[in-house]
Amino acid sequence: GDSVTQMEGPVTLSEEAFLTINCTYTATGYPSLFWYVQYPGEGLQLLLKATKADDKGSNKGFEATYRKETTSFHLEKGSVQVSDSAVYFCALFYNQGGKLIFGQGTELSVKP
Amino acid sequence: SAVISQKPSRDICQRGTSLTIQCQVDSQVTMMFWYRQQPGQSLTLIATANQGSEATYESGFVIDKFPISRPNLTFSTLTVSNMSPEDSSIYLCSAGGLAFYNEQFFGPGTRLTVL
Repeated sequence: GDSVTQMEGPVTLSEEAFLTINCTYTATGYPSLFWYVQYPGEGLQLLLKATKADDKGSNKGFEATYRKETTSFHLEKGSVQVSDSAVYFCALFYNQGGKLIFGQGTELSVKP
Repeated sequence: SAVISQKPSRDICQRGTSLTIQCQVDSQVTMMFWYRQQPGQSLTLIATANQGSEATYESGFVIDKFPISRPNLTFSTLTVSNMSPEDSSIYLCSAGGLAFYNEQFFGPGTRLTVL
């Protein structure tokens, strides 16, 4: 069945470091791909999305490109801030049925 | 976008009791969902709340344990019945549909602790 696998956390970085959080997926169809962020004590917020192969989603300095050939959707940011400390979830989504399938989440901690 | 509120935000309950969680959306939505997030874990879909018909449950979740109502296009409830400590989790409501280009928006969650 469909699944999403993320790199294990926690990931600890210094402020202004480069961030990559790996995400790979297994899908029987052609899903959309999402990154959600969960700040401490809060619900999930959509960070960015890509709906088809080679699409790049971007928001708040974060980027991810939908790579069908490597079944990946890695999250990147050039310079992280302390305020980026959160748990990041990669997810795939099929329009039909509307279900989200989440990865296990990656906790990011950014130190000043 | 859609703004989703949940009540209660948190609760501490005794074993064997039931708790009903409410989810309110600020606009009409086609689809509403209930997820569970156990401590330190990812989100697991419990069920899809269908307006005007019974909810559709995922494998491992049953209606007797998690009855769901969806009386209209902006509101849903999830009841956690006959609770045990293993039910201690964050329960999240989400909503989406074609009107939102199939994005899903999440409520802030209900943090449940069962003693």
